[in-house]
Amino acid sequence: AQTVTQSQPEMSVQEAETVTLSCTYDTSESNYYLFWYKQPPSRQMILVIRQEAYKQQNATENRFSVNFQKAAKSFSLKISDSQLGDTAMYFCAFTTPMDSNYQLIWGAGTKLIIKP
Amino acid sequence: GAVVSQHPSRVICKSGTSVKIECRSLDFQATTMFWYRQFPKQSLMLMATSNEGSKATYEQGVEKDKFLINHASLTLSTLTVTSAHPEDSSFYICSARTVSNQPQHFGDGTRLSIL
Repeated sequence: AQTVTQSQPEMSVQEAETVTLSCTYDTSESNYYLFWYKQPPSRQMILVIRQEAYKQQNATENRFSVNFQKAAKSFSLKISDSQLGDTAMYFCAFTTPMDSNYQLIWGAGTKLIIKP
Repeated sequence: GAVVSQHPSRVICKSGTSVKIECRSLDFQATTMFWYRQFPKQSLMLMATSNEGSKATYEQGVEKDKFLINHASLTLSTLTVTSAHPEDSSFYICSARTVSNQPQHFGDGTRLSIL
């Protein structure tokens, strides 16, 4: 079975600090796509960053970057210079061609609180 | 780009009422749309997948006669909760995608409360 594990239910850091959210996944596929989504209190689901498994280079989007370790099946998210607006639930997810509809497999989420 | 509009954002109605939720892709053609249900403090639970012009594929345990899904065009999918009861109260959220390996883009969700 394909699964996603986010081992940190909740994290809290001071504004401007750097924080890393962990994510591990399990799949027998070699080709897949990994995502981090953010869900603030407004509950809108926002795409943060995307990584293709065939790319060795880690994806980066401004203050957000990932550490993709394919052999370890690890896909952590690093948030640099954290801001109050980063407070949200963060969900790790992946999809593979094994499913014809490319359904997302979701982690349980990590609640991130940025303190002023 | 990649904006998905979901309407209404909040519904409060009496038990036995049927409720329709719309999900529109505003600036792209969505070949596939997904409907999720989210319980408080939990992750998203996929209810069904709909491809334009085809019948929706429902996940195990989701009653297709209870949750009617229509995806009649490349920009619109609807979810109708028929004869809603209090246990159907939840947060429903849709997403849309163009081609298979592209990210899903989400609507703002609908909070459904059945009295």
